[in-house]
Parts: sequence; C-alpha cells; structure tokens
Amino acid sequence: ELKVEQNPLFLSMQEGKNYTIYCNYSTTSDRLYWYRQDPGKSLESLFVLLSNGAVKQEGRLMASLDTKARLSTLHITAAVHDLSATYFCAVDPNQGGSEKLVFGKGTKLTVNP
Amino acid sequence: EAQVTQNPRYLITVTGKKLTVTCSQNMNHEYMSWYRQDPGLGLRQIYYSMNVEVTDKGDVPEGYKVSRKEKRNFPLILESPSPNQTSLYFCASSSYRENLIIQYFGAGTRLSVL
Repeated sequence: ELKVEQNPLFLSMQEGKNYTIYCNYSTTSDRLYWYRQDPGKSLESLFVLLSNGAVKQEGRLMASLDTKARLSTLHITAAVHDLSATYFCAVDPNQGGSEKLVFGKGTKLTVNP
Repeated sequence: EAQVTQNPRYLITVTGKKLTVTCSQNMNHEYMSWYRQDPGLGLRQIYYSMNVEVTDKGDVPEGYKVSRKEKRNFPLILESPSPNQTSLYFCASSSYRENLIIQYFGAGTRLSVL
C-alpha cells in the first residue's frame, strides 16, 4: 500500500525567510503532484513532476522530484503572507494505469508579517 | 468553463437522517471520486467511479454509498449518518492525458452530523 508522508505538518515562518517542505512516498512512482488549498477553499493544482530530476518553479515556489530517493521537495523562497495555505503532495501509485492519486496529510503554512 | 459542482456547500444534520451530496461535472470525464478531509489526516478517498455504472471502494468507504447512472453525476449518499462522518467532503473529476492526471476538485461540502 502506498504511503505518502509530508514534513512538517505545520510550519510557521516569518516573511522573507526560506524553507522546504518534504514529501516522501513508499513505492516506486515517477509522477508527483503538488496542490495548494486556501482556508475554506478547494484544492488547486500547483505543479506536476513527471520524471526523476524534474524541477518546476513558479514565483517563490520551486518543486523538485528525486524518484530514486522517493522524495519531492517544495522550496519556499523569501516567503510572503500570500503563501499562507495548506500544501498537499499526491502520488500516482499506478504509474498512469488509472486516475487515482494518494495524498499526503498536508502542510499548513503560516507566513507571519 | 471546466467545473465540478457540489451541493450543498454546508449541511448540518442529525444522526440517522439520510442525506445525499450531489456532484456534477461538465468535462465529460470518465473518472470521478469522493474524498473526505479531516484535520491531521489529509484527503482520503471514499469511493471512485471509472465510468457509468462502474464504482469501487476507496480507502474509507464504510458508511457511504455512491451511484453513477450518468457520466456527469456522482452523488454521495449517507444512508444513516453518524457523528464520525462530520467532515469536509470533496468531489473530484479527472482525466488522463499525455501521461498526466488532470484532476479538478469541487468547492467542498462541510457536513456536521449531530
């Protein structure tokens, strides 16, 4: 059974600081997704990482994937308050065989002024 | 505009009173699913459907039913709700294209069972 673990689950940081959220998963997969959820809202897709070494960046967020280590990271650079949200990683356990995704528990990020 | 529409958005009910949460998508997707989101547990899949009349259990199906009589609709049914089903529920609709899962989520239904 695929397990997806995120660390940390809660993160409080100051504006301007850098930090990294980690997503480990337990079985082979080369497809990993990151989602953002604002309080009281639905999930929106942030990044899709499709192969070993994939790196995607948008604004102050950068995601990477190491399929050998079964690890993805979401790096936050010079955080701003608008980045406060819960971030989920999700893994495709079937490598394209179906549309099921297994989600991590989420990392609730709070950026303080 | 691509949409997944859930209704109602908020619902307070009492133990044992049957309820249905509706979900509709306008993208002609074959795959639809229901998740529940609980603090500290993330999103867990309740049921999914790969096409009309094809449904299967996800990770936490106990106490729920679904049906898929039409492609666009995938209602979630709680025959006899209990307080441990108090949660935030999301419907999702997905397609698989060029090695990517494109998943759209509804706005969520916050359910309280008293």
